[in-house]
Amino acid sequence: DADVTQTPRNRITKTGKRIMLECSQTKGHDRMYWYRQDPGLGLRLIYYSFDVKDINKGEISDGYSVSRQAQAKFSLSLESAIPNQTALYFCATSVKGPTDTQYFGPGTRLTVL
Amino acid sequence: TQLLEQSPQFLSIQEGENLTVYCNSSSVFSSLQWYRQEPGEGPVLLVTVVTGGEVKKLKRLTFQFGDARKDSSLHITAAQPGDTGLYLCAGNNNDMRFGAGTRLTVKP
Repeated sequence: DADVTQTPRNRITKTGKRIMLECSQTKGHDRMYWYRQDPGLGLRLIYYSFDVKDINKGEISDGYSVSRQAQAKFSLSLESAIPNQTALYFCATSVKGPTDTQYFGPGTRLTVL
Repeated sequence: TQLLEQSPQFLSIQEGENLTVYCNSSSVFSSLQWYRQEPGEGPVLLVTVVTGGEVKKLKRLTFQFGDARKDSSLHITAAQPGDTGLYLCAGNNNDMRFGAGTRLTVKP
């Protein structure tokens, strides 16, 4: 079974709709992250959380919000989706340490029409 | 502007050839990681380098961290079709920053 799971795997929605992407992990890691991946731009950090009561903005947080419901769950919301939020979204986890290795989920492909 | 610049962006070679891809930055990193990503999946860690000048080998893959800890290279010897994928470098300095990646295609 996958250690980091994301739902849904694919989503097509319309401009202005509210969308929630969910991430669950069984790795027991405290740290969780949301990234988006765009061709030619690589992975960019949206939000991250080092424990249940900790939420931090990443490089590109505008237009997004997150909720850390439990150690194992971290959800990403787009309050009013717009076409330039069309991208691949990845959830990742890590454990506190000198190298902070990221363990990624399989990704969610989001298309905003 | 990317904090980490990877080159080349695309690379297509024949099976058996050698190749080197690069990851460059003007910033110093406490550690640098290389990940490989296949279509439909998330990136998977290949290696972490921590010390300036460090060289690590993983079978046919050789990773080097620059002396100043600002750049890194990945060399693949005798590439195989199974090496096809997107290779991403990521630098750690309080937060993790990723390069845009090198998309490698190895033709049989």
